[in-house]
Amino acid sequence: GQQLNQSPQSMFIQEGEDVSMNCTSSSIFNTWLWYKQDPGEGPVLLIALYKAGELTSNGRLTAQFGITRKDSFLNISASIPSDVGIYFCAGQRSQKLVFGQGTRLTINP
Amino acid sequence: NAGVTQTPKFQVLKTGQSMTLQCAQDMNHNSMYWYRQDPGMGLRLIYYSASEGTTDKGEVPNGYNVSRLNKREFSLRLESAAPSQTSVYFCASSFSGEVYGYTFGSGTRLTVV
Repeated sequence: GQQLNQSPQSMFIQEGEDVSMNCTSSSIFNTWLWYKQDPGEGPVLLIALYKAGELTSNGRLTAQFGITRKDSFLNISASIPSDVGIYFCAGQRSQKLVFGQGTRLTINP
Repeated sequence: NAGVTQTPKFQVLKTGQSMTLQCAQDMNHNSMYWYRQDPGMGLRLIYYSASEGTTDKGEVPNGYNVSRLNKREFSLRLESAAPSQTSVYFCASSFSGEVYGYTFGSGTRLTVV
Protein backbone atom coordinates (compact mmCIF):
# COMPACT_ATOMS: atom_id res chain seq x y z
CA GLY A 1 0.00 0.00 0.00
CA GLN A 2 0.84 3.68 0.05
CA GLN A 3 3.97 4.27 2.10
CA LEU A 4 4.25 8.04 1.95
CA ASN A 5 1.67 10.31 3.56
CA GLN A 6 1.54 13.67 1.80
CA SER A 7 -0.45 16.64 3.07
CA PRO A 8 -2.45 18.61 2.42
CA GLN A 9 -4.23 16.82 -0.41
CA SER A 10 -5.34 20.13 -1.92
CA MET A 11 -4.72 23.82 -1.42
CA PHE A 12 -6.60 26.87 -2.64
CA ILE A 13 -4.59 30.06 -2.26
CA GLN A 14 -4.36 33.61 -3.55
CA GLU A 15 -1.63 34.62 -5.94
CA GLY A 16 1.36 35.91 -4.02
CA GLU A 17 0.83 33.70 -0.97
CA ASP A 18 3.43 31.25 0.29
CA VAL A 19 2.74 27.52 0.13
CA SER A 20 3.92 24.72 2.37
CA MET A 21 3.39 20.98 1.96
CA ASN A 22 4.99 17.98 3.58
CA CYS A 23 5.51 14.27 3.34
CA THR A 24 5.99 11.71 6.10
CA SER A 25 6.83 8.04 6.13
CA SER A 26 6.99 5.25 8.68
CA SER A 27 10.26 4.08 7.14
CA ILE A 28 13.56 5.67 6.22
CA PHE A 29 14.44 6.86 2.73
CA ASN A 30 17.93 7.62 1.44
CA THR A 31 16.77 10.21 -1.06
CA TRP A 32 13.76 12.49 -1.15
CA LEU A 33 12.53 14.15 -4.33
CA TRP A 34 9.80 16.61 -5.18
CA TYR A 35 8.00 16.56 -8.53
CA LYS A 36 5.44 18.79 -10.20
CA GLN A 37 2.83 17.58 -12.65
CA ASP A 38 1.09 19.95 -15.06
CA PRO A 39 -2.29 18.94 -16.51
CA GLY A 40 -1.92 16.31 -19.22
CA GLU A 41 1.78 15.83 -18.61
CA GLY A 42 4.06 13.53 -16.67
CA PRO A 43 5.78 14.60 -13.44
CA VAL A 44 8.90 16.74 -13.71
CA LEU A 45 11.63 16.81 -11.06
CA LEU A 46 11.85 20.03 -9.04
CA ILE A 47 14.30 19.28 -6.23
CA ALA A 48 16.32 16.27 -5.08
CA LEU A 49 17.61 15.84 -1.48
CA TYR A 50 20.35 13.37 -0.59
CA LYS A 51 21.38 14.01 3.04
CA ALA A 52 19.44 14.12 6.29
CA GLY A 53 18.98 17.75 7.35
CA GLU A 54 19.77 19.05 3.87
CA LEU A 55 18.01 22.28 2.88
CA THR A 56 17.94 23.01 -0.85
CA SER A 57 16.51 25.89 -2.86
CA ASN A 58 15.57 26.19 -6.52
CA GLY A 59 14.35 29.71 -7.21
CA ARG A 60 11.19 30.26 -5.17
CA LEU A 61 11.17 26.62 -4.06
CA THR A 62 12.80 25.37 -0.88
CA ALA A 63 12.82 21.78 0.32
CA GLN A 64 14.29 20.02 3.33
CA PHE A 65 15.24 16.42 4.05
CA GLY A 66 14.17 15.64 7.62
CA ILE A 67 16.78 14.70 10.22
CA THR A 68 15.07 11.37 10.89
CA ARG A 69 15.05 10.62 7.12
CA LYS A 70 11.33 9.94 7.45
CA ASP A 71 9.97 13.27 6.28
CA SER A 72 10.43 16.19 3.92
CA PHE A 73 8.74 19.49 3.22
CA LEU A 74 8.44 21.78 0.22
CA ASN A 75 7.82 25.52 0.42
CA ILE A 76 6.90 27.79 -2.48
CA SER A 77 7.24 31.51 -1.86
CA ALA A 78 5.21 34.25 -3.56
CA SER A 79 3.08 31.90 -5.65
CA ILE A 80 2.31 32.74 -9.27
CA PRO A 81 -0.32 31.31 -11.65
CA SER A 82 2.11 28.88 -13.31
CA ASP A 83 2.64 27.16 -9.94
CA VAL A 84 -0.76 25.50 -10.40
CA GLY A 85 -0.52 21.72 -10.64
CA ILE A 86 -0.05 18.60 -8.57
CA TYR A 87 3.07 18.28 -6.41
CA PHE A 88 4.40 14.85 -5.47
CA CYS A 89 6.99 13.83 -2.96
CA ALA A 90 8.91 10.65 -3.66
CA GLY A 91 11.36 8.55 -1.68
CA GLN A 92 14.00 6.20 -2.99
CA ARG A 93 13.85 2.57 -1.98
CA SER A 94 15.92 -0.17 -3.66
CA GLN A 95 16.62 1.97 -6.70
CA LYS A 96 12.92 2.62 -7.21
CA LEU A 97 10.72 5.57 -6.31
CA VAL A 98 7.74 5.47 -3.96
CA PHE A 99 5.36 8.40 -4.41
CA GLY A 100 3.08 10.33 -2.09
CA GLN A 101 -0.58 10.89 -2.93
CA GLY A 102 0.06 14.38 -4.27
CA THR A 103 -0.96 17.93 -3.31
CA ARG A 104 -3.18 19.71 -5.82
CA LEU A 105 -2.44 23.44 -5.82
CA THR A 106 -5.03 25.91 -7.12
CA ILE A 107 -4.29 29.63 -7.27
CA ASN A 108 -6.88 32.36 -7.40
CA PRO A 109 -5.61 35.41 -9.28
CA ASN B 1 14.67 15.73 -27.85
CA ALA B 2 11.81 13.21 -27.73
CA GLY B 3 12.67 11.78 -24.27
CA VAL B 4 10.01 9.23 -23.34
CA THR B 5 7.24 8.67 -25.87
CA GLN B 6 4.02 6.88 -24.96
CA THR B 7 1.30 5.71 -27.32
CA PRO B 8 -1.62 5.97 -27.47
CA LYS B 9 -2.49 9.12 -25.48
CA PHE B 10 -6.12 8.09 -25.00
CA GLN B 11 -7.92 4.76 -25.21
CA VAL B 12 -11.37 3.43 -24.39
CA LEU B 13 -11.75 -0.32 -23.97
CA LYS B 14 -14.65 -2.59 -23.25
CA THR B 15 -14.36 -4.96 -20.31
CA GLY B 16 -12.50 -8.08 -21.40
CA GLN B 17 -10.68 -6.49 -24.32
CA SER B 18 -6.91 -6.54 -24.51
CA MET B 19 -4.43 -3.89 -25.47
CA THR B 20 -0.76 -2.97 -25.28
CA LEU B 21 0.57 0.38 -24.16
CA GLN B 22 3.80 1.31 -25.88
CA CYS B 23 6.75 3.21 -24.42
CA ALA B 24 10.03 4.17 -26.04
CA GLN B 25 12.94 6.27 -24.79
CA ASP B 26 15.86 7.72 -26.73
CA MET B 27 18.16 8.66 -23.83
CA ASN B 28 20.08 5.38 -23.67
CA HIS B 29 18.62 4.71 -20.21
CA ASN B 30 19.03 1.27 -18.70
CA SER B 31 15.96 1.19 -16.46
CA MET B 32 12.33 1.62 -17.40
CA TYR B 33 9.15 1.73 -15.31
CA TRP B 34 5.37 1.62 -15.62
CA TYR B 35 3.25 3.54 -13.10
CA ARG B 36 -0.47 4.09 -12.81
CA GLN B 37 -1.96 7.27 -11.38
CA ASP B 38 -5.33 7.32 -9.67
CA PRO B 39 -6.96 10.23 -7.79
CA GLY B 40 -5.77 10.41 -4.19
CA MET B 41 -3.35 7.51 -4.70
CA GLY B 42 -0.35 9.16 -6.29
CA LEU B 43 1.72 7.07 -8.67
CA ARG B 44 2.01 3.36 -7.99
CA LEU B 45 4.61 1.14 -9.62
CA ILE B 46 3.19 -1.66 -11.77
CA TYR B 47 6.33 -3.23 -13.25
CA TYR B 48 9.87 -2.18 -13.88
CA SER B 49 12.86 -3.30 -15.89
CA ALA B 50 16.23 -2.61 -14.29
CA SER B 51 18.04 -3.48 -17.50
CA GLU B 52 17.42 -4.99 -20.91
CA GLY B 53 16.28 -8.59 -20.52
CA THR B 54 14.94 -8.26 -16.95
CA THR B 55 11.52 -7.37 -15.59
CA ASP B 56 10.17 -7.34 -12.03
CA LYS B 57 6.85 -6.76 -10.33
CA GLY B 58 6.12 -3.52 -8.58
CA GLU B 59 3.43 -2.63 -6.07
CA VAL B 60 0.34 -3.35 -8.24
CA PRO B 61 1.21 -5.93 -10.95
CA ASN B 62 -2.00 -7.98 -11.02
CA GLY B 63 -3.78 -7.91 -14.39
CA TYR B 64 -0.72 -6.66 -16.28
CA ASN B 65 2.20 -8.10 -18.21
CA VAL B 66 5.27 -6.34 -19.58
CA SER B 67 7.87 -6.88 -22.25
CA ARG B 68 11.27 -5.22 -22.44
CA LEU B 69 11.58 -5.53 -26.19
CA ASN B 70 15.03 -3.95 -26.37
CA LYS B 71 16.90 -1.21 -24.54
CA ARG B 72 14.61 1.49 -25.92
CA GLU B 73 11.16 -0.08 -25.60
CA PHE B 74 9.08 -1.31 -22.67
CA SER B 75 5.46 -2.27 -23.28
CA LEU B 76 2.59 -2.88 -20.85
CA ARG B 77 -0.16 -5.32 -21.76
CA LEU B 78 -3.64 -5.70 -20.37
CA GLU B 79 -4.85 -9.16 -21.36
CA SER B 80 -8.45 -8.77 -20.18
CA ALA B 81 -9.25 -5.20 -19.22
CA ALA B 82 -11.37 -4.49 -16.16
CA PRO B 83 -13.02 -1.22 -15.02
CA SER B 84 -10.59 -1.14 -12.07
CA GLN B 85 -7.82 -0.61 -14.61
CA THR B 86 -9.26 2.74 -15.64
CA SER B 87 -6.37 5.06 -14.89
CA VAL B 88 -3.63 7.23 -16.31
CA TYR B 89 -0.53 5.20 -17.10
CA PHE B 90 2.95 6.69 -17.08
CA CYS B 91 6.14 5.22 -18.41
CA ALA B 92 9.48 6.47 -17.06
CA SER B 93 13.13 5.73 -17.65
CA SER B 94 16.44 6.41 -15.94
CA PHE B 95 20.06 5.33 -15.79
CA SER B 96 20.37 2.42 -13.37
CA GLY B 97 20.15 3.56 -9.75
CA GLU B 98 19.81 7.24 -10.62
CA VAL B 99 16.40 7.94 -9.13
CA TYR B 100 16.85 11.69 -9.59
CA GLY B 101 17.17 11.04 -13.29
CA TYR B 102 13.67 9.66 -13.87
CA THR B 103 12.13 11.06 -17.07
CA PHE B 104 8.40 10.53 -17.47
CA GLY B 105 6.30 10.27 -20.60
CA SER B 106 3.16 12.35 -20.95
CA GLY B 107 0.84 9.48 -20.07
CA THR B 108 -1.89 7.29 -21.54
CA ARG B 109 -5.41 7.91 -20.27
CA LEU B 110 -7.25 4.57 -20.33
CA THR B 111 -10.95 4.12 -19.69
CA VAL B 112 -12.46 0.65 -19.37
CA VAL B 113 -16.24 0.54 -19.69
